[in-house]
Amino acid sequence: AQSVTQPDIHITVSEGASLELRCNYSYGATPYLFWYVQSPGQGLQLLLKYFSGDTLVQGIKGFEAEFKRSQSSFNLRKPSVHWSDAAEYFCAVPNYGGSQGNLIFGKGTKLSVKP
Amino acid sequence: KAGVTQTPRYLIKTRGQQVTLSCSPISGHRSVSWYQQTPGQGLQFLFEYFSETQRNKGNFPGRFSGRQFSNSRSEMNVSTLELGDSALYLCASSRSGTGNSPLHFGNGTRLTVT
Repeated sequence: AQSVTQPDIHITVSEGASLELRCNYSYGATPYLFWYVQSPGQGLQLLLKYFSGDTLVQGIKGFEAEFKRSQSSFNLRKPSVHWSDAAEYFCAVPNYGGSQGNLIFGKGTKLSVKP
Repeated sequence: KAGVTQTPRYLIKTRGQQVTLSCSPISGHRSVSWYQQTPGQGLQFLFEYFSETQRNKGNFPGRFSGRQFSNSRSEMNVSTLELGDSALYLCASSRSGTGNSPLHFGNGTRLTVT
């Protein structure tokens, strides 16, 4: 069965510092991969997606993610974090079969930004 | 293009009551999914509708039900509310609901059961 693991529940970085959020997946083949962001009290917004091709994917708000098949990872990165990036971030893969809906989400990583 | 619209944004209900939440998907999107989000359980899938048919269902009791109309708008209903039903209910739409069709989320309905 497919699954997504986000090992870090909470990360705090200083404004201007670089950021990397980890995501590992379990999947039978090369998956489609997604990163979503959720600001407090809001819905989820799609940051970026990987379908195929170039393993480095650019998204909105200056985020990028790299697909590494050998490590079953799809880590999210940003070179310089802004205070407005404080939010919760979710990694997701499609669900084929089962009762988990269209996408299987990780538990999320909450990002705090220090001034 | 308008995004996914959920109404109402906030609801306060009493235990034992029932509630109906509404979701209008992005124009052209035929798949609508519902998720419950709580601090303890995270995002949990409720059900998915495509072309007025429930195509997928999560592990929730029968008190949770939904439907989709011919214009793709969807409603979910929770009967006999319990305190544990307090959560953010998120609706998401996509063109086809398949793996390569990203979900687009609304801002959710915050339900508080007292």
